[in-house]
Amino acid sequence: GQNIDQPTEMTATEGAIVQINCTYQTSGFNGLFWYQQHAGEAPTFLSYNVLDGLEEKGRFSSFLSRSKGYSYLLLKELQMKDSASYLCAFMDSNYQLIWGAGTKLIIKP
Amino acid sequence: EADIYQTPRYLVIGTGKKITLECSQTMGHDKMYWYQQDPGMELHLIHYSYGVNSTEKGDLSSESTVSRIRTEHFPLTLESARPSHTSQYLCASSEQGRDTGELFFGEGSRLTVL
Repeated sequence: GQNIDQPTEMTATEGAIVQINCTYQTSGFNGLFWYQQHAGEAPTFLSYNVLDGLEEKGRFSSFLSRSKGYSYLLLKELQMKDSASYLCAFMDSNYQLIWGAGTKLIIKP
Repeated sequence: EADIYQTPRYLVIGTGKKITLECSQTMGHDKMYWYQQDPGMELHLIHYSYGVNSTEKGDLSSESTVSRIRTEHFPLTLESARPSHTSQYLCASSEQGRDTGELFFGEGSRLTVL
């Protein structure tokens, strides 16, 4: 079967670093995606990993280990505007996205 | 910036009514999707399309139908709304290509069925 799991909620301090983990199980894999979704808004694309390793994009980085079925999103120098839900999704063998329930990140001053 | 629009943004209707949620994109994307999302829950794929005259059911067809007569337009119709249809409906599009997972989402249509 297929499943994907990420923590429901995390809290971090402004200016700090936070790592949001995502684990998945699937027989067919065609990439791992991270999206950001502010409350009441639509998701927006953050990153895409298809090969093992770290992809860095400004303050955000995403890591993938295909053998472990594991990814994380790393947010540095946290700002209040980073308060949002972060959705992990993998693309299965049919090239359809399977979504996690999202991790609500709360940033405190 | 993404150019994908949904109407209405908010809708409150009674049980048994027929409704159509509109979605239009101006990016020329071939692939379009409808998702349903409840608060704090994952997105569930309702319908998708790979292009004009192509429509497929997702995991959650939700007693709804879609059509794709024009590239830019992908409306979702509920023939007879029920309280269980109360949810947020998100339309999205992406470029052609099997491994394209970068979706552009509309603002969403929040439906309440009384």
